Amino acid sequence: GDSVTQMEGPVTLSEEAFLTINCTYTATGYPSLFWYVQYPGEGLQLLLKATKADDKGSNKGFEATYRKETTSFHLEKGSVQVSDSAVYFCALNSGYSTLTFGKGTMLLVSP
Amino acid sequence: EAQVTQNPRYLITVTGKKLTVTCSQNMNHEYMSWYRQDPGLGLRQIYYSMNVEVTDKGDVPEGYKVSRKEKRNFPLILESPSPNQTSLYFCASSLSVEGTQYFGPGTRLTVL
Repeated sequence: GDSVTQMEGPVTLSEEAFLTINCTYTATGYPSLFWYVQYPGEGLQLLLKATKADDKGSNKGFEATYRKETTSFHLEKGSVQVSDSAVYFCALNSGYSTLTFGKGTMLLVSP
Repeated sequence: EAQVTQNPRYLITVTGKKLTVTCSQNMNHEYMSWYRQDPGLGLRQIYYSMNVEVTDKGDVPEGYKVSRKEKRNFPLILESPSPNQTSLYFCASSLSVEGTQYFGPGTRLTVL
């Protein structure tokens, strides 16, 4: 079955540091890939997505590239802010019935 | 404003007392889904619906029921809640099964 593995947290960074959160997946066919973000006390919001190999999703300074050869979709940001502190979820959709989520990675950014 | 709403946002109840968590979307989405979020386990799908009167089990359906009588509503029913159903619940909807899912704000349920 489909699965998503993402790095465990928390990831602790200082403001303006470079962020990478690793995500790898196993899936049948050609899934769409997503990053969702959950701010404290809120629901999940779509951060970015990519629907085919070599696509790059980007939003709010975050980027991720769909790498089929390494089955990866790593999230990056060049300079994090305190307001980026949240839990980040990598997910995939094979188009059958469900989103499959990773377990989430908490990001803590200090001033 | 396009949104998914859930009610209640917080609920404390006792074992065995039937409860319903409502979910409504105003985007005319066909696909709706319920997830539960638990520490260290991420989000797991409970049930989903492809359209009115079409529902199916997700990964963790035991102890839950759903119905889809109208396109906009997808209530989650716990007929006899137990403490292991204490969790944070999210409803989501999308235009199609492949589409981007939009999440509600969550319902935090505690079963004593």
